Amino acid sequence: SQWGEENLQALSIQEGEDVTMNCSYKTYTTVVQWYRQKSGKGPAQLILIRSNEREKRSGRLRATLDTSSQSSSLSITGTLATDTAVYFCATAPSGSWQLIFGSGTQLTVMP
Amino acid sequence: AQTIHQWPVAEIKAVGSPLSLGCTIKGKSSPNLYWYWQATGGTLQQLFYSITVGQVESVVQLNLSASRPKDDQFILSTEKLLLSHSGFYLCAWSLRLGASAETLYFGSGTRLTVL
Repeated sequence: SQWGEENLQALSIQEGEDVTMNCSYKTYTTVVQWYRQKSGKGPAQLILIRSNEREKRSGRLRATLDTSSQSSSLSITGTLATDTAVYFCATAPSGSWQLIFGSGTQLTVMP
Repeated sequence: AQTIHQWPVAEIKAVGSPLSLGCTIKGKSSPNLYWYWQATGGTLQQLFYSITVGQVESVVQLNLSASRPKDDQFILSTEKLLLSHSGFYLCAWSLRLGASAETLYFGSGTRLTVL
């Protein structure tokens, strides 16, 4: 899981495997975003999930959100070597322009 | 299509020297603008945000300042660099929808090394 003062988590898997990354957050929010950052690049949003959705899919990605436990997950099915990146969850407290990023998960997919 | 351009791509500077980093957004009127800092292997820390020209809010104090002189331009600067300023600086924009930050679109970043 990622958040707060935790060190960057690392996962290493083989291409074709499925993977799930978890995130817990501290402040109340109705929206969780997941971003992917490839080495040396800026992050790019993968998926945005709202509290009334609980689950959202986009291609090989599936995000879940449980506001009661203040946690979210991102799953990738059939991983590819090109999925190698750092994955961040991010939340903005309601009424805030501060988007707070988690500590991130370094995912390495080996061909 | 919207584009975001950051400059320079990389900088190597001496401790105590001044710094100015820039960011320009084209194709989007009146966006929210943000500066983030990222240590090597670390998370993204928001430094500043701006919702309109001439108005900048500071999120953390790192002996840095920011300005928004034009609707499409965001500048990050300091008069005296510290070793701790080294890292990856990212500019981002978002639409001004609702009252909370949603999708951020990031630039390619500036790698700063302070020696």
